[in-house]
Amino acid sequence: GQQLNQSPQSMFIQEGEDVSMNCTSSSIFNTWLWYKQDPGEGPVLLIALYKAGELTSNGRLTAQFGITRKDSFLNISASIPSDVGIYFCAGNNNDMRFGAGTRLTVKP
Amino acid sequence: EPEVTQTPSHQVTQMGQEVILRCVPISNHLYFYWYRQILGQKVEFLVSFYNNEISEKSEIFDDQFSVERPDGSNFTLKIRSTKLEDSAMYFCASSQFRTEAFFGQGTRLTVV
Repeated sequence: GQQLNQSPQSMFIQEGEDVSMNCTSSSIFNTWLWYKQDPGEGPVLLIALYKAGELTSNGRLTAQFGITRKDSFLNISASIPSDVGIYFCAGNNNDMRFGAGTRLTVKP
Repeated sequence: EPEVTQTPSHQVTQMGQEVILRCVPISNHLYFYWYRQILGQKVEFLVSFYNNEISEKSEIFDDQFSVERPDGSNFTLKIRSTKLEDSAMYFCASSQFRTEAFFGQGTRLTVV
């Protein structure tokens, strides 16, 4: 199946630190996406990646689509308290599948 | 900014009852999805819908579930006979090109 393995499960960091999380899969995906979910809300799209090797930034966020099309990472630079939330990777062919999420806690 | 809207935001139902969750996707989008998220767990794919038919469905989407696009704007998920384990957040999403999908705020379904 199209299982996505996302790590780490959780991170506790100090404000100002950089964060890195990643996703791997045994399946190839045409698109990789990163979402953030706040409590009680729906996932909000952060970055979408369409081509193998693509590196895309959105403010302090940077994500890359792995060359093999089976992995992706997300970096957040200079974290701030509002970065707190759950970050999900998702791989999309016809049906978008999600990783288990990385719960980020930022201590002021 | 266009967004996916879902109603109701919270639905409480008796076990065995039928529920219909409603979604209005973004107007020029062609692909529609339902996802489920049990409290504290990951977002799970249920079904995708394109050109008035199901294009993919997961093992969760059994005979108790059905989807419909009854008119040009609504996209509904019906659970025929709810079970306690159907309690979850249900998210609708839509996309224009089967690439990035945009999610609604979700319907919290509580089965008692």
